[in-house]
Amino acid sequence: NAGVTQTPKFRVLKTGQSMTLLCAQDMNHEYMYWYRQDPGMGLRLIHYSVGEGTTAKGEVPDGYNVSRLKKQNFLLGLESAAPSQTSVYFCASSYPNPVNAATQETQYFGPGTRLLVL
Amino acid sequence: EDQVTQSPEALRLQEGESSSLNCSYTVSGLRGLFWYRQDPGKGPEFLFTLYSAGEEKEKERLKATLTKKESFLHITAPKPEDSATYLCAAVIYNQGGKLIFGQGTELSVKP
Repeated sequence: NAGVTQTPKFRVLKTGQSMTLLCAQDMNHEYMYWYRQDPGMGLRLIHYSVGEGTTAKGEVPDGYNVSRLKKQNFLLGLESAAPSQTSVYFCASSYPNPVNAATQETQYFGPGTRLLVL
Repeated sequence: EDQVTQSPEALRLQEGESSSLNCSYTVSGLRGLFWYRQDPGKGPEFLFTLYSAGEEKEKERLKATLTKKESFLHITAPKPEDSATYLCAAVIYNQGGKLIFGQGTELSVKP
């Protein structure tokens, strides 16, 4: 199993350009998440999905859109990139425990995408 | 407001010098407390999950504990390969499994 993979690994954009980050997981997980990590700010949730066809906003959703057309894929889109979106983006996935609702399955993270917006 | 705070921000140890990292949390309803390790240029790697006060988990030189207000990651006789950033995160009930992360503690272990 590859686990969680992200493409691309690194990208440079000019202000106003658009791009899509792809996250794929082969663990049959229901839940998927997109985070950004900035120095001094920690990991912050952008958007998440609790199943195919469903998405929800996280802590910092502005300027981003997402889609979950297939269970194994979660796409993060930047329609008009801004320098403030320079960051490292991480995707994660998890499977909610169907037996005990009081426990939460581990989130597994991808290797990250480094984005520089000039 | 739900919040997770880690201290110290950075910790330098000599090889073999034991210490502890702190993670304090103020959340509306804790469902679980996670510890991750992150190496430079890589994604967070899962270490432990703690679900209730008094719970402890161990892995090699690491031991995580949980109280009603904070969690500790104890490092016993660390080695240089333990150098990394350690992240803690809280998951809250009825929030779709979202993790609220602390800012991390950067650990450096010198030989």
